[in-house]
Amino acid sequence: TQLLEQSPQFLSIQEGENLTVYCNSSSVFSSLQWYRQEPGEGPVLLVTVVTGGEVKKLKRLTFQFGDARKDSSLHITAAQPGDTGLYLCAGFYNAGNMLTFGGGTRLMVKP
Amino acid sequence: DAGVIQSPRHEVTEMGQEVTLRCKPISGHDYLFWYRQTMMRGLELLIYFNNNVPIDDSGMPEDRFSAKMPNASFSTLKIQPSEPRDSAVYFCASSFTGMNTEAFFGQGTRLTVV
Repeated sequence: TQLLEQSPQFLSIQEGENLTVYCNSSSVFSSLQWYRQEPGEGPVLLVTVVTGGEVKKLKRLTFQFGDARKDSSLHITAAQPGDTGLYLCAGFYNAGNMLTFGGGTRLMVKP
Repeated sequence: DAGVIQSPRHEVTEMGQEVTLRCKPISGHDYLFWYRQTMMRGLELLIYFNNNVPIDDSGMPEDRFSAKMPNASFSTLKIQPSEPRDSAVYFCASSFTGMNTEAFFGQGTRLTVV
């Protein structure tokens, strides 16, 4: 059982569509991070959300941290083929630097 | 800085053989993490170090796995003896001390045990 549950696990959409990916937990996290991983590479940080209710935008990507700091969402507007990849949420656990990851959402955007 | 450097990128070995994976963290980073990634289980934290000292190894699957960090610029993950179920991509990551800091990942080592 993973501390962070992501949904959906797989998502295949057409270019131009909008999508939302969810990251949920029964535990409270001091912060949550979203990473993106491309084939053959390690994950790369997109954003860190720290405050409950916080919303951060990165071009067409909008990240939200739940009020209770137990969940987060990633919304992509007008998806493009370049958005294809594995999206991972991660949280700092045990009040330290121990970073634990969700199972990931594999996104494919078709032209 | 060249980032986190892992070697080898690919390793194919026979069951029962010893495998050693290597990692050079980013200079100045004081945290080092070893992760294993599979389709079934996702990205699992195996062990992490702070200032070269192992802090939490509860993710290490069995006694066949061991990790060392003899100095701030080098770490190894060893599997002895290796088994087919150890086949996965192994990632090393490093970060600075501090809350909410970014973890920088290497490109991973793809291990295949036949």
